[in-house]
Amino acid sequence: DVVMTQSPLSLPVTLGQPASISCTSSQSLVHSDGNTYLNWFQQRPGQSPRRLIYKVSNRDSGVPDRFSGSGSGTDFTLKISRVEAEDVGVYYCMQGTHWPRTFGQGTKVEIK
Amino acid sequence: EVQLVESGGGLVKPGGSLRLSCAASGFTFINAWMSWVRQAPGKGLEWVGRIKSRTDGGTTDYAAPVKDRFSISRDDSKNTLYLQMNSLKTEDTAVYYCSTDPPGYWGQGTLVTVSS
Repeated sequence: DVVMTQSPLSLPVTLGQPASISCTSSQSLVHSDGNTYLNWFQQRPGQSPRRLIYKVSNRDSGVPDRFSGSGSGTDFTLKISRVEAEDVGVYYCMQGTHWPRTFGQGTKVEIK
Repeated sequence: EVQLVESGGGLVKPGGSLRLSCAASGFTFINAWMSWVRQAPGKGLEWVGRIKSRTDGGTTDYAAPVKDRFSISRDDSKNTLYLQMNSLKTEDTAVYYCSTDPPGYWGQGTLVTVSS
């Protein structure tokens, strides 16, 4: 199985400051169809996961533009340009290129 | 509006069985690939399995920990996804979510507790 490794696992941030989460895969996530199926999810406390980003850098509908995704091959990043209080929660990367789908361990974002 | 509503969770003894349901609305279910994902208490997300649409073969894939014990099916006439869980183990205790595949939409989850 493809192992997804996130860092850091805990991220205390100051309101209004940027935040960045890294995700590294044990194999290239470039699919034979040319796409890279790397997703980012947000899970707020007590809620279901919500997809923020698909195919590395595409924001889902309704996702604020302070969230952005980048990367290629095996190294990916989720950035929050200015953290707001509603961004508190756990963030997961997930690869959809290889079966089975696999998730990172999660990064807990909290306000300092 | 897309809605996925899971039901059927509860307390079951080790070795027992349970069937979860996921009622879908707001999109063309018959064309959708669907998945189950679980989350053990205080832990991360784990993919359980997927079923393709009938037009794409209706085939299923499972994660290794549940293969041969869990079975995913669908009733397109009822817009409903199912997860049949047999030979349950304590480590299957989790909130079970249904989602579309790709996972753009998720349900609210249903808790399954396996304990004697």
